[in-house]
Amino acid sequence: EDQVTQSPEALRLQEGESSSLNCSYTVSGLRGLFWYRQDPGKGPEFLFTLYSAGEEKEKERLKATLTKKESFLHITAPKPEDSATYLCASSGNTGKLIFGQGTTLQVKP
Amino acid sequence: DGGITQSPKYLFRKEGQNVTLSCEQNLNHDAMYWYRQDPGQGLRLIYYSQIVNDFQKGDIAEGYSVSREKKESFPLTVTSAQKNPTAFYLCASKGYWDRDTNTEAFFGQGTRLTVV
Repeated sequence: EDQVTQSPEALRLQEGESSSLNCSYTVSGLRGLFWYRQDPGKGPEFLFTLYSAGEEKEKERLKATLTKKESFLHITAPKPEDSATYLCASSGNTGKLIFGQGTTLQVKP
Repeated sequence: DGGITQSPKYLFRKEGQNVTLSCEQNLNHDAMYWYRQDPGQGLRLIYYSQIVNDFQKGDIAEGYSVSREKKESFPLTVTSAQKNPTAFYLCASKGYWDRDTNTEAFFGQGTRLTVV
């Protein structure tokens, strides 16, 4: 059964304090591993897609990496505007798009 | 502009009433999805459709129904059998680069359903 688990559930950082979010996944025939950002009361906003182990993507202070069992979202020198819930999702050969529970990040100035 | 539109933004339902949430996309995507999100929780899959006239149950399909008569549209009905329908509902659509890779999913802005 396809499954996605994210940790930690919540993370509090000081501005400039780098950290990483974890996404563990089990999926039959990976067709894509996706990271999204969600602000309260809004739909998720796409950040990255990763397709194969060893792949990395970067955008401003965010960097996503992928292994055969996990993906990490690294946040370097975060700012208060990076505060949001970060969601990980996997898509496999069943056609399902399965999301983890999310990590709620709070960055304090 | 290409995108995915959900309506209404807010919906109030009386006990025992069926309500239908609309989801329309003009991205020419084959796959469409419905999710439920409760406060502080992730997205739970209700139903999904990979092609017109075909759909599959997700993890929490009980009390919900869908149809996929057109590629662009995937409405969700919350029936009276759903005992705790108050939640934030999100619709998404997704395409395919090729047989083995999917595009990212695009989301609507959500419908907040409240039972009164």
